[in-house]
Amino acid sequence: EPEVTQTPSHQVTQMGQEVILRCVPISNHLYFYWYRQILGQKVEFLVSFYNNEISEKSEIFDDQFSVERPDGSNFTLKIRSTKLEDSAMYFCASSWDLTGAEAFFGQGTRLTVV
Amino acid sequence: EDKVVQSPLSLVVHEGDTVTLNCSYEVTNFRSLLWYKQEKKAPTFLFMLTSSGIEKKSGRLSSILDKKELFSILNITATQTGDSAVYLCAVETTSGTYKYIFGTGTRLKVLA
Repeated sequence: EPEVTQTPSHQVTQMGQEVILRCVPISNHLYFYWYRQILGQKVEFLVSFYNNEISEKSEIFDDQFSVERPDGSNFTLKIRSTKLEDSAMYFCASSWDLTGAEAFFGQGTRLTVV
Repeated sequence: EDKVVQSPLSLVVHEGDTVTLNCSYEVTNFRSLLWYKQEKKAPTFLFMLTSSGIEKKSGRLSSILDKKELFSILNITATQTGDSAVYLCAVETTSGTYKYIFGTGTRLKVLA
């Protein structure tokens, strides 16, 4: 069964460092998303991406965050200068269209900022 | 502000019990409501509901949506220990673009 894959599964980084979280969406999907879940809290929308550009971003997704799809398969989330409060589980999701298809989620990357 | 509220927050039952999980929402530009099961990590898809009153079933799980009263329920009959998980309700909105607004989840623990 096709699945969304994310790497790494766990990343520990020092405050102020840049991190790149990687996702390989399901191959025929066109719409890509990043969500995050701070431990014990709800899953929150960060950004949606379609046709090589951001469709929408939440207020969490400030200038420290960026996304790109550099090679047509990987979908990355970059955090330029990590803060302690960026510690969370980051989920990538993809869907093949917007007309009734559910989003499939990856297993997540647990980011710990120390 | 768009809001999705789930209840109860947590629930402990014994194997064989039936449980009902609730999800109410207030969103602009509602498109669909989805239920996900989250065990260790990734939310896995259970149901997508778009129409009121039509029950969706998958084995022991079923769900229904009421768009007039703005809520959905997820029923699990004859619960098993493998049903222990966090059940997430998400509402898909088209405010801006398509995205999900998640509730906090209901943590279900099924005891043997």
